[in-house]
Amino acid sequence: GAGVSQSPRYKVAKRGQDVALRCDPISGHVSLFWYQQALGQGPEFLTYFQNEAQLDKSGLPSDRFFAERPEGSVSTLKIQRTQQEDSAVYLCASSPRRRGITNTGELFFGEGSRLTVL
Amino acid sequence: SQQGEEDPQALSIQEGENATMNCSYKTSINNLQWYRQNSGRGLVHLILIRSNEREKHSGRLRVTLDTSKKSSSLLITASRAADTASYFCAPSGSRLTFGEGTQLTVNP
Repeated sequence: GAGVSQSPRYKVAKRGQDVALRCDPISGHVSLFWYQQALGQGPEFLTYFQNEAQLDKSGLPSDRFFAERPEGSVSTLKIQRTQQEDSAVYLCASSPRRRGITNTGELFFGEGSRLTVL
Repeated sequence: SQQGEEDPQALSIQEGENATMNCSYKTSINNLQWYRQNSGRGLVHLILIRSNEREKHSGRLRVTLDTSKKSSSLLITASRAADTASYFCAPSGSRLTFGEGTQLTVNP
């Protein structure tokens, strides 16, 4: 498709289970972002990739969160030993431009993966 | 990286009325973006205004930017029920960060 694709759209996990969320960005987009959005809140930045390089992971809430983009296209966000507070929508966004030091261009978002941890 | 703060948190209007949402931020910027999010969906980019621009139009959208007051506004004219969504501003930075948004409800 022409847009950012995320899978699964919905995931229910038992507490302690590991989950993997996939993002297919728009073809050729250099930059890829992951955000976490709790119910009723705005998206919170998690991590940023420029091609395959993870240049910023300062928003990852704990070492249970891990993201990769090994070939500079598809990205996976992995959450180990899920906790109830991890329940949220995880949004992926891509951009054709490199992220600047003081500037970020338009982001193209996927529909998100809604994670519910029981 | 800074985030914008949207005001009001919630706004309810009748179809056909205009809707105005405001955004404040703290430090100097290169540009500011507005996004819309329909319930259960991802964010959609609406408009980007650069720091040297004061006003920009796109269809029924009008965005203003006052860098001296560190504020921006989004005006939606002749609102429709389909405009019901959350609206977020994002001041530029090395990462885009978002506030809690304005939840706009347009009643038919």
